[in-house]
Amino acid sequence: DVQLVESGGGLVKPGGSLTVSCAASGFSFSNAWMNWVRQAPGKGLEWVGLIKSKAAGGRTDYAAPVKGRFIISRDDSRNTLFLQLNSLKAEDTAVYYCATYDFRTGYLDPWGQGTLVTVSS
Amino acid sequence: DIQMTQSPSSLSASVGDRVIITCRASQSISTYLNWYQQKPAKAPKLLIYAASTLQSGVPSRFSGSGSGTDFTLTISSLQPEDFATYYCQQSYSTIEPVTFGPGTTVEI
Repeated sequence: DVQLVESGGGLVKPGGSLTVSCAASGFSFSNAWMNWVRQAPGKGLEWVGLIKSKAAGGRTDYAAPVKGRFIISRDDSRNTLFLQLNSLKAEDTAVYYCATYDFRTGYLDPWGQGTLVTVSS
Repeated sequence: DIQMTQSPSSLSASVGDRVIITCRASQSISTYLNWYQQKPAKAPKLLIYAASTLQSGVPSRFSGSGSGTDFTLTISSLQPEDFATYYCQQSYSTIEPVTFGPGTTVEI
């Protein structure tokens, strides 16, 4: 079965850093374009960024609110996607989901179950 | 940036009702429009991609239509398990390749 499992969420102080991970299985991770999407408590979905496969150049793109603070990376040998969150603000508090991106149509499927990041002093 | 809007923001309906949710893009996105269903405390689930293609395993009571700037998601006969929040998502822009609408909550 195709599966994405996020981990690494937790409580972090404003200005702090945290890295969350997404372990993939059941598909060719190295060929996949991967996304991070977040959802603040009680709010809608917000795209965070994506990373293309190395075969497609490995480029990353970020949403404006996180550009320069968040870094997406991947370790294809471990089938794992990472999101490094730096200079965290209270408004970054959210459930962070990883999802596979279909580069032909742009849909996101499947999704992981999410990991909660709480930024609070 | 491409902005997405949805209407209504919420609606009340009964089992068996026909439900229509509208999504509008701030500029033409051809058919690069996808729909998701999200239930509380769960990850979103892809329902429809490319405006009108039903994802495998999704019941046929769900359908999508539209192109350009105006799109609809229709549930032909609402079932108890369909009470959820629905999001549209554009995938046309190369600058910001994923943008979600604000969501429509379907309530009993």
